[in-house]
Amino acid sequence: AQKITQTQPGMFVQEKEAVTLDCTYDTSDPSYGLFWYKQPSSGEMIFLIYQGSYDQQNATEGRYSLNFQKARKSANLVISASQLGDSAMYFCAMRENTNAGKSTFGDGTTLTVKP
Amino acid sequence: GAGVSQSPSNKVTEKGKDVELRCDPISGHTALYWYRQSLGQGLEFLIYFQGNSAPDKSGLPSDRFSAERTGGSVSTLTIQRTQQEDSAVYLCASSLVTSLNEKLFFGSGTQLSVL
Repeated sequence: AQKITQTQPGMFVQEKEAVTLDCTYDTSDPSYGLFWYKQPSSGEMIFLIYQGSYDQQNATEGRYSLNFQKARKSANLVISASQLGDSAMYFCAMRENTNAGKSTFGDGTTLTVKP
Repeated sequence: GAGVSQSPSNKVTEKGKDVELRCDPISGHTALYWYRQSLGQGLEFLIYFQGNSAPDKSGLPSDRFSAERTGGSVSTLTIQRTQQEDSAVYLCASSLVTSLNEKLFFGSGTQLSVL
């Protein structure tokens, strides 16, 4: 079974609107970390936000927030007030305590922000 | 430089030739990772190094692939007898340590094309 599932290959959003990118994960490890990365067309992956499995509150970083629903094993990324520069590929990733050196990535979601 | 540096940025080779891809991590980062990204796909883990510990090679797809990290810094990924299916972007990343909440810093990748 895939450990990270991103079901939206492509998403469109109007500039200044909010958008949610879905991510579900599968692990039996009670201790894990969840990440979102952005990959613009230039290719370099950029870290956006992190959520630990034991964190009580949803993570936020500026316009990015993570909607963490532990029981559902979902970690959706919410981007508020979308900007044209947000157009990129977005990857959800997980690190498990049993092998913290090995991050597992989803297949990504391509987000296009329309003016 | 301040970031992860990879060279070459592009490599075109003929089937059956050997190639070497280089990664220079951020100074002071003890962990170094190699990933492979096929066109429009997610990241496939290849190998990671943590300090002086034995590397986790569990993601290397075949014995044609090998990697080393000299002096705890620069790493070289070698692909012997390249095949067309090896064509992909090879991404290197580094982090301060391998722990659950450590984000990865990525290089811009090496685009490998095997003709």
